[in-house]
Amino acid sequence: EVQLVESGGGLVQPGGSLRLSCAASGFTFSSYSMNWVRQAPGKGLEWVSYISSSSSTIYYADSVKGRFTISRDNAKNSLYLQMNSLRAEDTAVYYCARAPPSFRGDYTPGYFDYWGQGTLVTVSS
Amino acid sequence: AIRMTQSPSSLSASTGDRVTITCRASQGISSYLAWYQQKPGKAPKLLIYAASTLQSGVPSRFSGSGSGTDFTLTISCLQSEDFATYYCQQYYSYPPTFGQGTKLEIK
Repeated sequence: EVQLVESGGGLVQPGGSLRLSCAASGFTFSSYSMNWVRQAPGKGLEWVSYISSSSSTIYYADSVKGRFTISRDNAKNSLYLQMNSLRAEDTAVYYCARAPPSFRGDYTPGYFDYWGQGTLVTVSS
Repeated sequence: AIRMTQSPSSLSASTGDRVTITCRASQGISSYLAWYQQKPGKAPKLLIYAASTLQSGVPSRFSGSGSGTDFTLTISCLQSEDFATYYCQQYYSYPPTFGQGTKLEIK
């Protein structure tokens, strides 16, 4: 059974940092691209970042570019999101989401077939 | 970025009803469209990808159609567990973008 379990969320002051983790199990993690998607309270879904299976290709939403860093450790079946210079508008539930392999390759996005349960990040003083 | 617009934003219906939700892309996206269902406090769940392909395990009362800029999600016979919020998502180009959501409520 595919499982994605996020951790690392919490309350942080504006300008602070937080590192989210996503532990994957039930599939060959090193064969799949991964994403972070967030959802502000009461709002819709917003894609945040993408990393290819080998970490060779990475994309960010403009809203987080230069502040967030996505990474992965295939040996540990884990995905990460380092979030720096946090702002109030970064307050959201952050989901890790798997993207199935695509014939289009790493340079085009995909859909998300499995999602974690999410971890809440609150940026407030 | 490609803008995805869903209509309606909310919808009231009864169990057994047939409902249709539409999603329009601001530019052509071929068939690179997915639909998700989200219940309160839960993660989104993939229902349909490639505009019309049902994800494994999803009931056949869900169906999708469309290509280019106009897409629909149809639920043929609403069940109690279908009351939720539905999102469309384009994956034609970066950044992948979602519609604003359609909340399906019990009448």
